[in-house]
Amino acid sequence: NAGVTQTPKFQVLKTGQSMTLQCAQDMNHEYMSWYRQDPGMGLRLIHYSVGAGITDQGEVPNGYNVSRSTTEDFPLRLLSAAPSQTSVYFCASSYSGVPSGNTIYFGEGSWLTVV
Amino acid sequence: AQSVAQPEDQVNVAEGNPLTVKCTYSVSGNPYLFWYVQYPNRGLQFLLKYITGDNLVKGSYGFEAEFNKSQTSFHLKKPSALVSDSALYFCAVRVSMEYGNKLVFGAGTILRVKS
Repeated sequence: NAGVTQTPKFQVLKTGQSMTLQCAQDMNHEYMSWYRQDPGMGLRLIHYSVGAGITDQGEVPNGYNVSRSTTEDFPLRLLSAAPSQTSVYFCASSYSGVPSGNTIYFGEGSWLTVV
Repeated sequence: AQSVAQPEDQVNVAEGNPLTVKCTYSVSGNPYLFWYVQYPNRGLQFLLKYITGDNLVKGSYGFEAEFNKSQTSFHLKKPSALVSDSALYFCAVRVSMEYGNKLVFGAGTILRVKS
């Protein structure tokens, strides 16, 4: 049981490049989400999914795209990287989106720098 | 807006002394509250949660938190701090969305425990 696995852990991009952050979980969780962490701002929700084929926007979705073709995987795509997207990205998962306080489990993070 | 506030950017405490990391919340309805800890270059680890029931919640690593509805607070506490407790702590509250729920995080509090 690996939990929530994110790749890559570190990445440097040039402005305008595109890339995909991978996230996989082996806990059969329906709910998966992506957060970004910036100093002094805590974690902010980018996109989330409540099951395969269902995604929706969070607080800061602009510049990011997601899809959920399987229960296990929830990739985050940066369409055209900008310096403002320099951040630490966390993927998370849980059963059914915390309806009764289900614990959300986080991956180890992906450090992205856009130059 | 539904939110959480962590009024202290940093808390310093001597090893062996009790520690408190403060959190206040603003939500409609009954709050579901969480504490997470983040060690350097790592993901977030779940510490404890309050859903309902006893106002004093016990969690991992000897931490506990006290829910106070009248003061809308959920402070994290530990009777005797360890140097290894030094980390970044996040308070979070569950917020309902169109397709499920999400966590809204505070900005985080750095805890430094000195020997």
